[in-house]
Amino acid sequence: EAGVTQFPSHSVIEKGQTVTLRCDPISGHDNLYWYRRVMGKEIKFLLHFVKESKQDESGMPNNRFLAERTGGTYSTLKVQPAELEDSGVYFCASSQDPGANTEAFFGQGTRLTVV
Amino acid sequence: AQSVAQPEDQVNVAEGNPLTVKCTYSVSGNPYLFWYVQYPNRGLQFLLKYITGDNLVKGSYGFEAEFNKSQTSFHLKKPSALVSDSALYFCAVRVISGAGSYQLTFGKGTKLSVIP
Repeated sequence: EAGVTQFPSHSVIEKGQTVTLRCDPISGHDNLYWYRRVMGKEIKFLLHFVKESKQDESGMPNNRFLAERTGGTYSTLKVQPAELEDSGVYFCASSQDPGANTEAFFGQGTRLTVV
Repeated sequence: AQSVAQPEDQVNVAEGNPLTVKCTYSVSGNPYLFWYVQYPNRGLQFLLKYITGDNLVKGSYGFEAEFNKSQTSFHLKKPSALVSDSALYFCAVRVISGAGSYQLTFGKGTKLSVIP
């Protein structure tokens, strides 16, 4: 069974440009999460999809970030326009069950560098 | 507010020695605690979790963790460290947000180096 896959693995863009990150969850997992780790800091929650609906987007930093999950399969996270402070590692995770006692399975992350 | 603390940025241990990576938490209600590991150039991998029941939880790769309610701790342990255990370890607690979503709150991570 394929795990959570993320693309690209690395992205270097200039300030002001647009970047789109993609996440393919484990097949059959309705719950998809985005997290971000800024260098040296904690991994922070960004948002949670249940199928194609946003269950919780309380962690999204600002309106430069747009997440979508059309059809309830893969998800994209767009940053437009990118700022220097957006640099970090963006993780995607999925789980079959949204409950508290269920582990989430993570992808390898996308390392975003804004210069 | 819910939080997780990993007091050590780095832990060094000699191969074959026991290892401990520390984690303390602060939550209201029952804690759902997790350990994840990130090997170089890899994603976060689930190691183990505590939900309820036995305070000693066994997980992948010979790791175990001890839940201590009175000390609000969930330390990760292994009896005999391997060089291949060198990685970044994250403790996390799953909490419910105001929007009704269970999300993970992570510690800052502890870098474990096992010295041959």
